[in-house]
Formats: sequence, structure tokens, C-alpha cells
Amino acid sequence: QVQLVESGGGLVKPGGSLRLSCAASGFTFSDYYMSWIRQAPGKGLEWVSYISSSGSTIYYADSVKGRFTISRDNAKNSLYLQMNSLRAEDTAVYYCASEARPYSYFDYWGQGTLVTVSS
Amino acid sequence: SYVLTQPPSVSVAPGQTARITCGGNNIGSKSVHWYQQKPGQAPVLVVYDDSDRPSGIPERFSGSNSGNTATLTISRVEAGDEADYYCQVWDSSSDYVFGTGTKVTVL
Repeated sequence: QVQLVESGGGLVKPGGSLRLSCAASGFTFSDYYMSWIRQAPGKGLEWVSYISSSGSTIYYADSVKGRFTISRDNAKNSLYLQMNSLRAEDTAVYYCASEARPYSYFDYWGQGTLVTVSS
Repeated sequence: SYVLTQPPSVSVAPGQTARITCGGNNIGSKSVHWYQQKPGQAPVLVVYDDSDRPSGIPERFSGSNSGNTATLTISRVEAGDEADYYCQVWDSSSDYVFGTGTKVTVL
């Protein structure tokens, strides 16, 4: 069955960096478009970044543009999010999610990894 | 930027029908998707492309979309339907947009 497993979350100081990973299994990862979506404690869902199946097309939310970098390794069935210059407002659970069709809906989600930015 | 507005909460008795609205400018021209999120869990897709259901989602979940409002309807509500629900669209200017979320309480 489809599985998305995030890792790499934790406590980091403001201005610090963190790299999240998402390991995919149970489907042909290279055929799928992927996104990172986050949810601050007690808040709603916020889309963060998108990468096409080949990695050639990438988008970011304005709130993370210039600080976060999305990437993928189709040979390793893995998605990544490099987060730099972290701020308190980046504190959230970060989910990776898949799309079979670009610019549509997220059919599978990981369980999420918590990122806490605090001094 | 494109904004999707949902009521903060909806309360419904077991066996009755819950309707959750999602308002957006000319949302009827977009494809709307709905997610269910229970406490401590990841969201789950319950309706996509306005009114289609993924496999495994009960027929009690249905959707519609017209004009400036999309609606998720949950028929014959059960205690297990208590959750937060989010609508979502893709907009060429705003990329992926989620609604503000609606907490459904089963009385």
C-alpha cells in the first residue's frame, strides 16, 4: 500500500536550518507530483512547496520563498525540504503529500513531522 | 490572492445531514477538493473534483460546486465523522489554496 514517511523534524533555534525527508513506497514515485504542506499548532493547512514528477518545475509559497528548497531523488523514492533561516512562525507539523495529476488534489499524505523553532 | 472561506463550526445530530460550505470568488469555475482531518492524524481526501469520491470513502460523502459556493454534504452522520474538514483548490495566481477549515461536531 501507499506509504509516505516523513522524518527530520525537531527543535531548532531561530535562524537555524533543518532538512526534512519523505520516504515513499507502494507506488511509482517518479510518476507523481509532490508537495510539502504544513499546519501550525491549532491552525489550518498551508501549502508550502511543489515539485513536478521530474523535478523540473518547482513552486513555493511566498512565506517561504528564498528560505526553503524542495528537491527529490526518484532513484531513492525520496522527497526533501531544506529549510534555512527558520523563524518562529515556521513552527508546524510538516506533511508530504502526493498528486497523481498536477495542480489538483492530494491523494496521499504522510503522518507528518513536527518542526519547532524556538530559542 | 485567492481566499476560501468556511464556517468555523457545524453541529449535527447523529443520522442527520451536515452541510459544509466553502466560499470563493467564482469557485464554480474551479475543481474543489475536500479533506477530513481527525485529531492527531493527517488529512484524508474524501471528495475530489467537486463530487468524486476516492475508493473507500462512503457514499454518505458527496460534493457540489456552483457559483461562489462549494458544498460538502455528509448524509446520515455518524459519530466517527466528527473531524475538521478543509476545502482546497488550485488557483493559477495563488497555487494551492486551502479553506479556513470547519469543525464538525456530532451532538
